Amino acid sequence: NAGVTQTPKFRILKIGQSMTLQCAQDMNHNYMYWYRQDPGMGLKLIYYSVGAGITDKGEVPNGYNVSRSTTEDFPLRLELAAPSQTSVYFCASSYYPDGWSEQYFGPGTRLTVT
Amino acid sequence: KQEVTQIPAALSVPEGENLVLNCSFTDSAIYNLQWFRQDPGKGLTSLLLIQSSQREQTSGRLNASLDKSSGRSTLYIAASQPGDSATYLCAVSGAGGTSYGKLTFGQGTILTVHP
Repeated sequence: NAGVTQTPKFRILKIGQSMTLQCAQDMNHNYMYWYRQDPGMGLKLIYYSVGAGITDKGEVPNGYNVSRSTTEDFPLRLELAAPSQTSVYFCASSYYPDGWSEQYFGPGTRLTVT
Repeated sequence: KQEVTQIPAALSVPEGENLVLNCSFTDSAIYNLQWFRQDPGKGLTSLLLIQSSQREQTSGRLNASLDKSSGRSTLYIAASQPGDSATYLCAVSGAGGTSYGKLTFGQGTILTVHP
């Protein structure tokens, strides 16, 4: 049971490039989330998914896209990277969004856009 | 819109001291509140989860309390150790049919425990 895994761990992009951050979980969780964490700040929600084929925007979705074709995978796509997207990206999952369910986080992807 | 605030932003204490970290939130309609630990350059580790109907949770030297009506939670760490040095994040999960477990985070408290 690997939990939530993310790849890559680190990445440097040039302005205007695109990339996909991978996230996978093996806990059969329906709910998955992408957050970003800027230096010295808490995490902010980018996108979330309540199941395969269903996604929705969070607080800071501009410049990102997601898809959820399977329960296990929830990739985050960055199109036309900008310096403002330099951040640490965390993927998380939970079984059910009620009071009993905690969210499990991946180790993060540190992205620099120059 | 839910807002979460953590005080203090940073705390430095000598080893062995008992300490309290504070978290406040503006909307009391929550499912739960989670405390996380984050080591430098690492991901988040869940420490304690308190459901909205609970008043406190304990795990080892950690005790978290929740006062939903006043929008406050505290994390109490007993007999602090240098290994407790990390950033502690508080996050709330909104209640309601469209909340879907989305977490709103505070900005964290950076804790340093020196020998």
